Amino acid sequence: EVQLVQSGAEVKKPGESLRISCKGSGYSFSNYWISWVRQMPGKGLEWMGRIDPSDSYSNYSPSFQGHVTISGDKSITTAYLQWSSLKASDTAMYFCARARSGDWFDLWGQGTVVTVSS
Amino acid sequence: SYVLTQSPSVSVAPGQTAKITCGGNNIGSKSVHWYQQKPGQAPVVVVYDDSDRPSGIPERFSGSNSGNTATLTISRVEAGDEADYYCQVWDSWVVFGGGTKLTVL
Repeated sequence: EVQLVQSGAEVKKPGESLRISCKGSGYSFSNYWISWVRQMPGKGLEWMGRIDPSDSYSNYSPSFQGHVTISGDKSITTAYLQWSSLKASDTAMYFCARARSGDWFDLWGQGTVVTVSS
Repeated sequence: SYVLTQSPSVSVAPGQTAKITCGGNNIGSKSVHWYQQKPGQAPVVVVYDDSDRPSGIPERFSGSNSGNTATLTISRVEAGDEADYYCQVWDSWVVFGGGTKLTVL
């Protein structure tokens, strides 16, 4: 089955670090960019950035550049989204998604809820 | 940066036609994609490249794009179509519209 499976929900304190994951299976992982999308509670979708799993090249939305890091390990068909110092405003659902033709998403992970609270 | 504008909400009776619009400067020159998101679920693409439908998406879902407006049309609306709908384009990076909540009366 073609799927993206994300890591489980996280509860963290402000200032802590975090890495969440997105594992692809059932397809050639290196052939498709993986993007990360944020959805804050009750709000819309926001694109954060993406990674080319074949060479780990990544780029970011200006809104998220410098705030998060996207990385990957093609040997285990997994992409990551990480924070070095979380803020309460990072509380959200985070989705990973596979891109087709570079810019639309045909496959989504189930989402990872991140809660940041003191 | 490029902005996509969607009406916050659209209401339609079952069996009628819903039109959800997405406005953007010369959006007709871009490829527009549409996603459906039901509560607690990940988005699902319903139309890509303006008017193409992925396999498994009913023919009731169609799209068009011209000038400054792209439109997602849902014919013969069913209760199960109630969801948030987002348009999306690529303009140096991925841009999403703010979303439209479709309510089936």
